[in-house]
Amino acid sequence: ETGVTQTPRHLVMGMTNKKSLKCEQHLGHNAMYWYKQSAKKPLELMFVYNFKEQTENNSVPSRFSPECPNSSHLFLHLHTLQPEDSALYLCASSLGGGQGETQYFGPGTRLLVL
Amino acid sequence: GDSVTQMEGPVTLSEEAFLTINCTYTATGYPSLFWYVQYPGEGLQLLLKATKADDKGSNKGFEATYRKETTSFHLEKGSVQVSDSAVYFCALLNTGNQFYFGTGTSLTVIP
Repeated sequence: ETGVTQTPRHLVMGMTNKKSLKCEQHLGHNAMYWYKQSAKKPLELMFVYNFKEQTENNSVPSRFSPECPNSSHLFLHLHTLQPEDSALYLCASSLGGGQGETQYFGPGTRLLVL
Repeated sequence: GDSVTQMEGPVTLSEEAFLTINCTYTATGYPSLFWYVQYPGEGLQLLLKATKADDKGSNKGFEATYRKETTSFHLEKGSVQVSDSAVYFCALLNTGNQFYFGTGTSLTVIP
């Protein structure tokens, strides 16, 4: 148990559906992250929020829309996804800024797009 | 740009065998280096880290030494157990506070 929870753990959706992934951290951290993990590829950083402000968007398609209402919660809204978006989506948090900072990961949401 | 390269898997070892998983990095400045482990069905967990050259990170019998001269951070364990079966990720945090992960190395330990 790392103090970062994600729901749902598994999600199957069609290409026309709209769904949201939720992440919550109980560590008092100020930075939160979304990563995409695909087989045989490095983790891909998607979005970074620091003190609720988005500080990074790594050229992610607009069909992925993040939301960070407060430092403890992070959402990833999904709409009109493609089959190649099927992956494990990992949320992480860290203290916020600073050298040598450790990221704490949630268990991930396994997404399958049909 | 910055990057991490780690040895391809999968790696299969017998219990009590010696483990080495190679990791090299490319980065400007002085990054921090990490090993994360991902057990089946779970997210990544920090295994160990080192924040400056010649530091040795260690945890649960695993060790890795930050070698700036060879830009490496190889993971080692003297005697693996079945419970060590997992995917291991090498990562760096650069001076711009960006994380870069390797592709992961799958380890299976057989009794």
